[in-house]
Amino acid sequence: GESVGLHLPTLSVQEGDNSIINCAYSNSASDYFIWYKQESGKGPQFIIDIRSNMDKRQGQRVTVLLNKTVKHLSLQIAATQPGDSAVYFCAERKTSYDKVIFGPGTSLSVIP
Amino acid sequence: DTAVSQTPKYLVTQMGNDKSIKCEQNLGHDTMYWYKQDSKKFLKIMFSYNNKELIINETVPNRFSPKSPDKAHLNLHINSLELGDSAVYFCASSQPLIQGRYEQYFGPGTRLTVT
Repeated sequence: GESVGLHLPTLSVQEGDNSIINCAYSNSASDYFIWYKQESGKGPQFIIDIRSNMDKRQGQRVTVLLNKTVKHLSLQIAATQPGDSAVYFCAERKTSYDKVIFGPGTSLSVIP
Repeated sequence: DTAVSQTPKYLVTQMGNDKSIKCEQNLGHDTMYWYKQDSKKFLKIMFSYNNKELIINETVPNRFSPKSPDKAHLNLHINSLELGDSAVYFCASSQPLIQGRYEQYFGPGTRLTVT
C-alpha cells in the first residue's frame, strides 16, 4: 500500500548547524512531495514542495532533495535557529487525486 | 486576519455525546479538508470537499458527518462519541497553483477529549 515514512523520529541539532530530515516513500505515482512544519499547538504549515520530475529545489534557508531511484526525500535547513524547533512532516500528493498522504513526522529540537 | 479558523479550540465531552466542530476559511479556496491527528502526531485525511461537494471520504465511520453549507465553511459533526475519537482535528483549505502545485493551509486545530 501507499506509505510515506521517516528514518529518524527525533533530531537534536546545535543552533547554527545545518539540519537534515529524511523521508522514505513507497508510492512512485506521486506528482509532488511536500514538507510541512508543525509548531507546538498549531496546525501544519507548508514549507516547500518539489515536483516529481525535479531532484532539487531551494527556498529560504531550506533545500529539498528528491532521489526517485531510492524513493528518498530530504529537507535541509541551513543555519538552524531555535524557531525551527517543530515537528516536520513529509507528504506526497497525486495531481489527479487531491489527497495528501503524510509521513509520521520528525521532531526537530534546536539546542541554543 | 486568520486564514483558516476552527471552533472550539478545545472540546471535552463524555462518551455517547454528539458534538460539532466548525471551520471557516477566508482565503476564497474551493477545497476544504478535515484531518485527524492522533497522539503520536500521525496525520490522516478524513474528508475533502470541493465547492461543497464531497470528494474524498477515507473510510471514516459514519458517525462522522461533514457538512459544507458553502465553500467557505466545512463543519464536522460526530455522533455517539467514543474514546478512540480523542485526537486533534485539523481543518484545511487549498487552491491549485500553476503547474499542478498547490498550497494547503491548516487551521489551528481542535483538541477533542472523550472521557
